Amino acid sequence: KNEVEQSPQNLTAQEGEFITINCSYSVGISALHWLQQHPGGGIVSLFMLSSGKKKHGRLIATINIQEKHSSLHITASHPRDSAVYICAVNYWGAQKLVFGQGTRLTINP
Amino acid sequence: DTGVSQDPRHKITKRGQNVTFRCDPISEHNRLYWYRQTLGQGPEFLTYFQNEAQLEKSRLLSDRFSAERPKGSFSTLEIQRTEQGDSAMYLCASSLRGAAILSGNTIYFGEGSWLTVV
Repeated sequence: KNEVEQSPQNLTAQEGEFITINCSYSVGISALHWLQQHPGGGIVSLFMLSSGKKKHGRLIATINIQEKHSSLHITASHPRDSAVYICAVNYWGAQKLVFGQGTRLTINP
Repeated sequence: DTGVSQDPRHKITKRGQNVTFRCDPISEHNRLYWYRQTLGQGPEFLTYFQNEAQLEKSRLLSDRFSAERPKGSFSTLEIQRTEQGDSAMYLCASSLRGAAILSGNTIYFGEGSWLTVV
C-alpha cells in the first residue's frame, strides 16, 4: 500500500467541467506538493502547501492537515490541462518527496 | 524549461553495460535529488545531496548504483552492470535550502533520462 494515495487514478471529462483530484497521506507532513507531468516525462511543480489553500489561475489546491487530505481543483477545464497530476509529500524531518501514483486526466473538447 | 537539465534524454543499452546520467541543477540550488520512475507509477526516491555531501540513499540504490556531486554543482548517476529491471526514467530535481515554505514552487525537476536495457 502506497503511503500517498490519490483518487481517481484516471479521470476523463469534457472541456469546461470542474475537476477535483484527491490525495490522502498517512502520517504528519511538513509540506505537500501538487505536480503536473506531461507525456515525455517533465514534471512541473504547481503548488507547495503546508496549510490552507492556494490559487493560481484556474488551479486551486487545498489541504486539511487534521484529516491528512488535499485536493487539487481545476475550474473551466481545457484540453491543454490533460496530463498526469501527482501528489507528493515531505514527511517531517525528511527532505525526500514521497509520491502518489498519479491521476491521469484527459479533457475532451 | 525549468532550468534543470539532464543528459542524455534517452539511452538504450545492452544488459551488463554501464551507463551514466548527468544532471545540471539550477545554479544557486544547493539541494539535488535523484528519483526513478517506471511506467504508470509515481517517482521513487533514490538519493539526495546537499552541496557535495550525499545525505541520504534509498534502499533502492543497490551497490550497482552510485551518485556523485563532486563540486556541489552538477551530479552524475552511474549504473553498473545494467539489468532489465533498471529500465525506467531517472529524474533529477533541485531546490534551495532555506527557501521560504510559503513562497511557492521550490522544487524544480529536469525532463528526465529514459533508460531502456535490452
